[in-house]
Amino acid sequence: DTAVSQTPKYLVTQMGNDKSIKCEQNLGHDTMYWYKQDSKKFLKIMFSYNNKELIINETVPNRFSPKSPDKAHLNLHINSLELGDSAVYFCASSPGPGQRFYGYTFGSGTRLTVV
Amino acid sequence: ILNVEQSPQSLHVQEGDSTNFTCSFPSSNFYALHWYRWETAKSPEALFVMTLNGDEKKKGRISATLNTKEGYSYLYIKGSQPEDSATYLCAFERGNTGNQFYFGTGTSLTVIP
Repeated sequence: DTAVSQTPKYLVTQMGNDKSIKCEQNLGHDTMYWYKQDSKKFLKIMFSYNNKELIINETVPNRFSPKSPDKAHLNLHINSLELGDSAVYFCASSPGPGQRFYGYTFGSGTRLTVV
Repeated sequence: ILNVEQSPQSLHVQEGDSTNFTCSFPSSNFYALHWYRWETAKSPEALFVMTLNGDEKKKGRISATLNTKEGYSYLYIKGSQPEDSATYLCAFERGNTGNQFYFGTGTSLTVIP
């Protein structure tokens, strides 16, 4: 059983399209995150939700919109895709602010290529 | 801007050599320091969580130390093996940020058989 699963693993799409990446965790964690790995392999926080509520919203274009239908899911929708959006996107989860020191559990990443 | 820096950026060692690398982070408002091992095409895997100044953690041939007063952590690998080849990430967890981690850029280790 995969603890944090992302789909799809690979996504190739044309500029201007709208696409979604899904993330699900079966760990019972309260907090979920989206990170973007840039060209230098740096992991940069994009969003964080705790129990379906947005708690971190870093400076990302508003073409990126997270949606959390329940605490086990955090999906990332991207409108009007641009070449610069090409990257690997990682979903992660953690127990939540009240249960720290456990670190994150990461998904396996979604490699998005915009052509 | 919160800087978490790792050095060196990349490292090549011979099998059997011991090696170490550094993570530097702000010394104020410290909550925890995390180390992750990240193999190519996989997701980062947690190695250690350290919270107290002077903490030392060990897992097999890998160990880590923590100095919160001066803002650094060392990761040591004793007798490196090819399977140790990976990127080692540290993440600084600042107090009162509700689990938000600030990741370093990683140290890429290649162990040559």
